[in-house]
Amino acid sequence: GQQVMQIPQYQHVQEGEDFTTYCNSSTTLSNIQWYKQRPGGHPVFLIQLVKSGEVKKQKRLTFQFGEAKKNSSLHITATQTTDVGTYFCAGPSTDSWGKFQFGAGTQVVVTP
Amino acid sequence: NAGVTQTPKFQVLKTGQSMTLQCAQDMNHNSMYWYRQDPGMGLRLIYYSASEGTTDKGEVPNGYNVSRLNKREFSLRLESAAPSQTSVYFCASQTADNSPLHFGNGTRLTVT
Repeated sequence: GQQVMQIPQYQHVQEGEDFTTYCNSSTTLSNIQWYKQRPGGHPVFLIQLVKSGEVKKQKRLTFQFGEAKKNSSLHITATQTTDVGTYFCAGPSTDSWGKFQFGAGTQVVVTP
Repeated sequence: NAGVTQTPKFQVLKTGQSMTLQCAQDMNHNSMYWYRQDPGMGLRLIYYSASEGTTDKGEVPNGYNVSRLNKREFSLRLESAAPSQTSVYFCASQTADNSPLHFGNGTRLTVT
């Protein structure tokens, strides 16, 4: 069945450094969404990418959708302590319209 | 401006007990979802409801039942709780296919 995989599972970052987390799907996606979950909180929608090769920025966060629409990345510049949390990507399930398959997430820990 | 409301926030059950998790949304969304979140496994879909009066199984439906009582409310029932159902449960809603998911604050369930 369809799989959405995220790497790395954990990311320890020094404050001020950059890092990238990756999302890979076993199938071509019509779109991909990214969510952030703060410790003890609930997932919150960040962004949706639809077009092949699309790049979107939100302040220090840069999201990219691969040319083949099977992978995506989230790059964070100059990491801050407010970036702590788990970042999930989610792609539409191939077996039912409207449902999303979530990756296992990348847990980000920031060291001051 | 409540969004998605889940009750209760915390619950401890003994093996074999039953309970219902409640979820209500005030955004007039058509689709509603129940997910469970376990460490390192992301969000796994239990059941979803594309519209009032319809429900469908997700990835991990065994041991659960759902009711879409009306457009606002979608409840999840555990008939005979098992320790394997210890998890954090999130309800989510969505206005249309492939639109962002709006999550509730979650219910942390422990089954002993």
